[in-house]
Amino acid sequence: AQTVTQSQPEMSVQEAETVTLSCTYDTSESNYYLFWYKQPPSRQMILVIRQEAYKQQNATENRFSVNFQKAAKSFSLKISDSQLGDTAMYFCAFIVQGGSEKLVFGKGMKLTVNP
Amino acid sequence: EAGVVQSPRYKIIEKKQPVAFWCNPISGHNTLYWYLQNLGQGPELLIRYENEEAVDDSQLPKDRFSAERLKGVDSTLKIQPAELGDSAVYLCASSLLPGIGELFFGEGSRLTVL
Repeated sequence: AQTVTQSQPEMSVQEAETVTLSCTYDTSESNYYLFWYKQPPSRQMILVIRQEAYKQQNATENRFSVNFQKAAKSFSLKISDSQLGDTAMYFCAFIVQGGSEKLVFGKGMKLTVNP
Repeated sequence: EAGVVQSPRYKIIEKKQPVAFWCNPISGHNTLYWYLQNLGQGPELLIRYENEEAVDDSQLPKDRFSAERLKGVDSTLKIQPAELGDSAVYLCASSLLPGIGELFFGEGSRLTVL
C-alpha cells in the first residue's frame, strides 16, 4: 500500500523564523512525484512545491524548499522567513507515475506563524 | 483565469435527506476529481473523471453516492440518503494533465448532517 505519514500534527513558529515540516512515504515504485499542498483557513488548497523522484536536486520555490531523501523515503519542507500568511494546514502528497494516478495525501500538519 | 468553483459552500441537512454539490472546473481541464476531507484528515479520492468518463470510482460508496459529469465540464456529486457520518468537506479539483498530481482545488462544500 502507498502511504504518507506526517508525524507532527501541529507546529508554531515566530514570524521571520525558519521551520521544517517532515513527511515520510512508502511506495515500492521508483517513479513518482512528491508535493506539498497548503490549505489556509477557510480557503482552497494550493500547490506549494513539487519534486520529481528521478531528480536529485531539491526543488525550491522562493521561500519554500524541500529536502528529498529518496533512500530514506523522506520529503521535508523548509519554510524560510516565515510570514503570517503561511499559517495553514500543510499536506504532503505523492502520485506514482504511470500507476493508478491517484494522489495520496498525508493527514496534514497545522502550522501557525505568530507575530 | 477563474478557479475551480464549488457550490454550495455550506450545507446543513437532516439525516436521510438528499444533498447535491456542484463543481465547475478550470476551463480546459479535462480531469476532474471529487475528494472527501474529514475533519483533521487529508483528502481522500472519491472519483476521478477524464472528460465524461469516470475512470476511478473505486472509493465512491455507490449505495448512497452518485456523481455525473455531463458534457465533460461541470460535475455534480449527490448523496441520498445522507448519514451522520457523511459530515465532511467535499472538495472538487481539476487538472490540465492527469497523472502528475498538480491539482487545482475549489474552496470545498462543507456538509453537516444532523
